[in-house]
Parts: sequence; C-alpha cells; structure tokens
Amino acid sequence: AQSVTQLGSHVSVSEGALVLLRCNYSSSVPPYLFWYVQYPNQGLQLLLKYTSAATLVKGINGFEAEFKKSETSFHLTKPSAHMSDAAEYFCAVSLLFGNEKLTFGTGTRLTIIP
Amino acid sequence: GAVVSQHPSRVICKSGTSVKIECRSLDFQATTMFWYRQFPKQSLMLMATSNEGSKATYEQGVEKDKFLINHASLTLSTLTVTSAHPEDSSFYICSARVPGTSGGMETQYFGPGTRLLVL
Repeated sequence: AQSVTQLGSHVSVSEGALVLLRCNYSSSVPPYLFWYVQYPNQGLQLLLKYTSAATLVKGINGFEAEFKKSETSFHLTKPSAHMSDAAEYFCAVSLLFGNEKLTFGTGTRLTIIP
Repeated sequence: GAVVSQHPSRVICKSGTSVKIECRSLDFQATTMFWYRQFPKQSLMLMATSNEGSKATYEQGVEKDKFLINHASLTLSTLTVTSAHPEDSSFYICSARVPGTSGGMETQYFGPGTRLLVL
C-alpha cells in the first residue's frame, strides 16, 4: 500500500520568501506523485505531477518539486512567496501500474505574512 | 483545463432524510469519476470509484448501501447519502478522470465540493 506524509500542518512564510512544503512517500512500486492546491471552499487544483520522467518537475504559479528516490521525498518549493499562494496544499501518490487511486497526505496550510 | 461541477455546494438536512449530490464533467466525457470525503482539517479519503454503466467500486469500510453511487451517463455521477445522520456531515468532493489517459498518468480534475450538514 502507498502513503504520503506531509510534515507540518501549518507553514508561515513572509511575502517574497522561499516556500518549502515537505512530502515523503511510501510505496512498494515506483510511484506517481502529485501536488494539489485547495483554496477556501473550492475543489483541488493540480499544481504539478511526477510521472517518472524528469526528477525536477515544474508546475503552475512558479511552483516546482523534486523527486528524490533516496530520500523518498517530493518536496514542493517556490522561490518567492506571493500573497495569493495562501491555501491548503496536498501531496498525493498513485501507483505506477494502472492503479488510478490517489492517496492524499493530511495537507499543509500555507500562510503568507505581508 | 477540464471543468467539473458539483451541485449543491451546500446542503442542510434533517437526520433520517436522504441527500443527493451531483457531479458533472462540463466540457469532457468521463468514464471514471471518484468520490472523496474530507473531514475538517483532514485529508481527502477516497470513498468509491464510479464507472459509467457499471457498479461503483467502494473502498474498504465504506457502506455501499449508505452511499449510493450512480454513474448513468458520461458526464454525470451522483452520490446519495441515504438516511443521513449527523456523523455523515462532511465535505464531499468528486473528481473526474480525463479520458485518453491511463496507467496512473491521468490527471484528475476536482469539483468544488459539497458541504453537507445533517442536523
């Protein structure tokens, strides 16, 4: 079975500072990994996904994530935080071969300090 | 990108009544849709996979007679919470898989969610 762990349920950064949201995964087979963002009272929007091609994945809104197999990590980063980045972020994992079920982490709420 | 809608966005009902939630893919046909449940400050938990024209596949621990899923067309899946009780109060989110993708590489597009409150 696969799982993801997001360290830190709340992260606060100053506007313009680096954003780092941590995600570690556990999977018996090579995984597909995803980051989703959820704004208040809205559904989830896909930020980026890792599908075994490049280990550094660039997504929307200036976010990127790096797949590190040795560390079983898929941390999300953004060089400079913007006020509009304030939201809930979810890391998710799906098995490589045909399993389309997404298993989500518990989420990290990102707060941007003006 | 693909758009998924849900209706209603909020519903309040009395204990013992049934509530139907609709999930629609607006600009594409979805053979597979997923229903998730999200408790406050918690993650999304997959409840079931809805397949057009066939029975839904429920996750372990989800009562299929409690949460009825119907996927009668390629653009509509419905979740009916039968004989709702206060513990069923939650945020229900659906997603639809964009067709033409498979093997875990698909992108799921999510609806905006439905907040259910059972009194």
